[in-house]
Amino acid sequence: GQQVMQIPQYQHVQEGEDFTTYCNSSTTLSNIQWYKQRPGGHPVFLIQLVKSGEVKKQKRLTFQFGEAKKNSSLHITATQTTDVGTYFCQVSGTYKYIFGTGTRLKVLA
Amino acid sequence: NAGVTQTPKFQVLKTGQSMTLQCAQDMNHEYMSWYRQDPGMGLRLIHYSVGAGITDQGEVPNGYNVSRSTTEDFPLRLLSAAPSQTSVYFCASSQYRLGYGYTFGSGTRLTVV
Repeated sequence: GQQVMQIPQYQHVQEGEDFTTYCNSSTTLSNIQWYKQRPGGHPVFLIQLVKSGEVKKQKRLTFQFGEAKKNSSLHITATQTTDVGTYFCQVSGTYKYIFGTGTRLKVLA
Repeated sequence: NAGVTQTPKFQVLKTGQSMTLQCAQDMNHEYMSWYRQDPGMGLRLIHYSVGAGITDQGEVPNGYNVSRSTTEDFPLRLLSAAPSQTSVYFCASSQYRLGYGYTFGSGTRLTVV
């Protein structure tokens, strides 16, 4: 079946440092979504990527879809304590949405 | 708009008991699904529905039943609770089958003893 891996599993950074999480698929993707889940909360949709090589920005967050549409990345510039949480990618199979394993980010003040 | 509403927020069951987790959305979304989240396991798809009267299995469907009689409601039934079903359950909905983001409910934390 389809495999979606996220790396790293955990990341601790000092406030102000950059952070990147990667999502890798075993198959070519039609699109990919990114979510953020705060501790004790529920996942919240951040963005969708559809086109090969697409790059989208939301303030300090930069999302990229690989040229081969088999991987994606989320980069946070100058992390803040409000960035704490787990970041998930989500991909679509046939009518099924599968989540990556998630990257848990801790930001040390 | 309330979005996606899940009830109850917390539940403790004894092994062998049955119960229904409720999920309702008021956004007229066609697509609804149930996930369970366990520590270190991410979000795993249990069942999903692409419209009223249509449901299908996800990655981990055993021990769970669903039905979709209306667009708004998508209840999840635990037939005979087991400790392995201790988890946080999330219901989510989306306007389209492919693409676009999900709106998640706030979750149900279930403990089976």
